[in-house]
Amino acid sequence: NAGVTQTPKFQVLKTGQSMTLQCAQDMNHEYMSWYRQDPGMGLRLIHYSVGAGITDQGEVPNGYNVSRSTTEDFPLRLLSAAPSQTSVYFCASSYSRHTEAFFGQGTRLTVV
Amino acid sequence: AQSVTQLDSHVSVSEGTPVLLRCNYSSSYSPSLFWYVQHPNKGLQLLLKYTSAATLVKGINGFEAEFKKSETSFHLTKPSAHMSDAAEYFCVPYNNNDMRFGAGTRLTVKP
Repeated sequence: NAGVTQTPKFQVLKTGQSMTLQCAQDMNHEYMSWYRQDPGMGLRLIHYSVGAGITDQGEVPNGYNVSRSTTEDFPLRLLSAAPSQTSVYFCASSYSRHTEAFFGQGTRLTVV
Repeated sequence: AQSVTQLDSHVSVSEGTPVLLRCNYSSSYSPSLFWYVQHPNKGLQLLLKYTSAATLVKGINGFEAEFKKSETSFHLTKPSAHMSDAAEYFCVPYNNNDMRFGAGTRLTVKP
């Protein structure tokens, strides 16, 4: 059972480039979310999804897009990378709104 | 709306001494509450959770937390610290599909 898988683990982008961070879970969870982690700020919610075809914004959605075409996958797209998006990104999934969230191992993104 | 305050950004204890990591939350109604741990360069792991059952919650690795509604607190404790407890700890209230993380408390354990 792989749990939550994020790819890539590391990425360096140039300002203005676009890319997609991949997240997949094999636990048949309805709830999935993306967070960014910056020093001294904990994890901040970017976007979340309560099921296939349904997404919503979190605290810091600007500059990011998401879609949820299947239960398993929840990719995060950076449309035009900026240095302010340098961060560690975590994807999480959970069975329901009040149950434990399982996290991926993170993607360390650097924008130069 | 809900928010969380972890009162200490850094806690340092000696091995074998008690651990106290403080968390206060504010919410318009009682949330579910979680504590997560993150070891260096790792993902997050659930330590324990409160979901309106018993107010004293036991978690993994000897940690426990007590939900006190009158104080809006959910402090994390452990009777005796181990070197392997050195990590970042996050208090997380959870309402309506929305997990809001505290800034985290870094626990250092001295030999």
